[in-house]
Amino acid sequence: GAGVSQSPSNKVTEKGKDVELRCDPISGHTALYWYRQSLGQGLEFLIYFQGNSAPDKSGLPSDRFSAERTGGSVSTLTIQRTQQEDSAVYLCASGRGRNTEAFFGQGTRLTVV
Amino acid sequence: GENVEQHPSTLSVQEGDSAVIKCTYSDSASNYFPWYKQELGKRPQLIIDIRSNVGEKKDQRIAVTLNKTAKHFSLHITETQPEDSAVYFCAASNTNAGKSTFGDGTTLTVKP
Repeated sequence: GAGVSQSPSNKVTEKGKDVELRCDPISGHTALYWYRQSLGQGLEFLIYFQGNSAPDKSGLPSDRFSAERTGGSVSTLTIQRTQQEDSAVYLCASGRGRNTEAFFGQGTRLTVV
Repeated sequence: GENVEQHPSTLSVQEGDSAVIKCTYSDSASNYFPWYKQELGKRPQLIIDIRSNVGEKKDQRIAVTLNKTAKHFSLHITETQPEDSAVYFCAASNTNAGKSTFGDGTTLTVKP
């Protein structure tokens, strides 16, 4: 595929359950970002991976949130013990490197009921 | 860390008029300033970007200006069309941090 791919597109989960969101970046892109966008709101930074460097986790809102990037490619964002306030669209983006254009995926819409 | 403020939050113009969106940033080390357009229900996409070694960049009806001294940059859209209606986000990043900090977005409505 030519673009950033995220799965699932939509996820409805019960409060307290764990969820995993997946991101397949553009091949060869060393930078990978996760952002969260609540309805009608801006882009809230969550975490940033760049090559083999330690990830910048400064945006993760609580220790219920974690992310991995395996082999410098696919990334998984995990939310444990989901809460209703976690409901949002989670956007993944990748880039050729530092300080470059971010190519966004279509997002995963998470609804916690 | 970087802080980006974007104004206005909403902007309504008549078709054919110009639209200007302004952003300020706090980190003097920031050197890359992209603008993204997000149409309703779609993903953000880059429309134009500027690096700190230039003061202005144009692409057809879109231009971006940068004032490093004042730490602000602006998006200018001329001859607006209804298809320009969307949410526009500015962002700032620097080589060390690498990641972009986004403004809160501007909802632009172009009335036919």
